[in-house]
Amino acid sequence: AQSVTQPDIHITVSEGASLELRCNYSYGATPYLFWYVQSPGQGLQLLLKYFSGDTLVQGIKGFEAEFKRSQSSFNLRKPSVHWSDAAEYFCAVGLTGNQFYFGTGTSLTVIP
Amino acid sequence: NAGVTQTPKFRILKIGQSMTLQCTQDMNHNYMYWYRQDPGMGLKLIYYSVGAGITDKGEVPNGYNVSRSTTEDFPLRLELAAPSQTSVYFCASMTSGNYEQYFGPGTRLTVT
Repeated sequence: AQSVTQPDIHITVSEGASLELRCNYSYGATPYLFWYVQSPGQGLQLLLKYFSGDTLVQGIKGFEAEFKRSQSSFNLRKPSVHWSDAAEYFCAVGLTGNQFYFGTGTSLTVIP
Repeated sequence: NAGVTQTPKFRILKIGQSMTLQCTQDMNHNYMYWYRQDPGMGLKLIYYSVGAGITDKGEVPNGYNVSRSTTEDFPLRLELAAPSQTSVYFCASMTSGNYEQYFGPGTRLTVT
């Protein structure tokens, strides 16, 4: 079955530490790939997207993500986490027809 | 630009009642979407529209209806509300080919 998997429901990191959030997808072709962030009580905001080309993409707020075709993964990274990064993070895929499918999200807690 | 606006922000419905969730965007986007977000479940696509007069079902359309008479507005109608429709509803819009969805702040709906 087609799916987007975020295996980590919740992650806690210390401020200043590095961060990696995992995302795997299961689709026949390479879909368009996205990471969104959702602050409490807010809508989603796009962090970055991958369509093709360079497999390392840069986004807003110092985030980056790497597409690995062999692993069907699109993991989100940040070298040094700030307290303001505490939020819910969603991986999403876009298929032809402009439909999007979201993972179940990873909640990030940042401790001082 | 106001972006994507949704009304109301909160609503409590009794079982069997009906209501319309409003969504308006002022970015002249041709694509519009309705999602529901349940705890631990990510976002599920309810309906989407690729332009005025054109709508299509997403993953979870049962119990909902939509219309798109203008580019700006994409209302979601709930008929005969059920407890299973308790959720947070997000509207989003996008320009064709850009694949960046802009989300509204959400409507929290409780059906009791």
